[in-house]
Amino acid sequence: DQQVKQNSPSLSVQEGRISILNCDYTNSMFDYFLWYKKYPAEGPTFLISISSIKDKNEDGRFTVFLNKSAKHLSLHIVPSQPGDSAVYFCAASPNYGGSQGNLIFGKGTKLSVKP
Amino acid sequence: EAGVTQFPSHSVIEKGQTVTLRCDPISGHDNLYWYRRVMGKEIKFLLHFVKESKQDESGMPNNRFLAERTGGTYSTLKVQPAELEDSGVYFCASSQDMGTPLTGELFFGEGSRLTVL
Repeated sequence: DQQVKQNSPSLSVQEGRISILNCDYTNSMFDYFLWYKKYPAEGPTFLISISSIKDKNEDGRFTVFLNKSAKHLSLHIVPSQPGDSAVYFCAASPNYGGSQGNLIFGKGTKLSVKP
Repeated sequence: EAGVTQFPSHSVIEKGQTVTLRCDPISGHDNLYWYRRVMGKEIKFLLHFVKESKQDESGMPNNRFLAERTGGTYSTLKVQPAELEDSGVYFCASSQDMGTPLTGELFFGEGSRLTVL
């Protein structure tokens, strides 16, 4: 069963508007969450992260919100730009045993920003 | 500085054949990871090397998969014999020390696409 879920496979927004990408998780033991961005034929690149002790982290146009009680996080991009068009992966890091590099990814959401 | 490089970028083989994927991490990165993305599914962790040692191989699907990292530099992932369900994109990633994955500094390669016919 998937522990990290991105229920929207795709999202289309107009340039300049806000993009909101959502992610839900099932395991309350996750202590760190990350967003990766992936262009076609490239590997994922790190975008932004948030620790479970915080509820918001902001970096320029990108803000990640974490709602621990709902086991939900979201990535806000504002204003959206055509260059933001990519697949966005939500990932979680478990804090129980194992490797710190054992990230658990969602299936991704393909964002299309229309000019 | 060169990023994580993977070879080949695409491999097409028949069921039952053997394929070896190679990953060269960023120079100086002790941690090397293999991940796999099957079509339309999530990216899944396969294993983690710290230098030449396997730190965690809990994600390896079965014993048809063999990963090595001799000398703690580049790594190979061999699939033998390949099955249809092994098709997907195999990503390699590296990081400098154990703490950095938790800050997001996991650098991925472009991936090796494997197609098993």
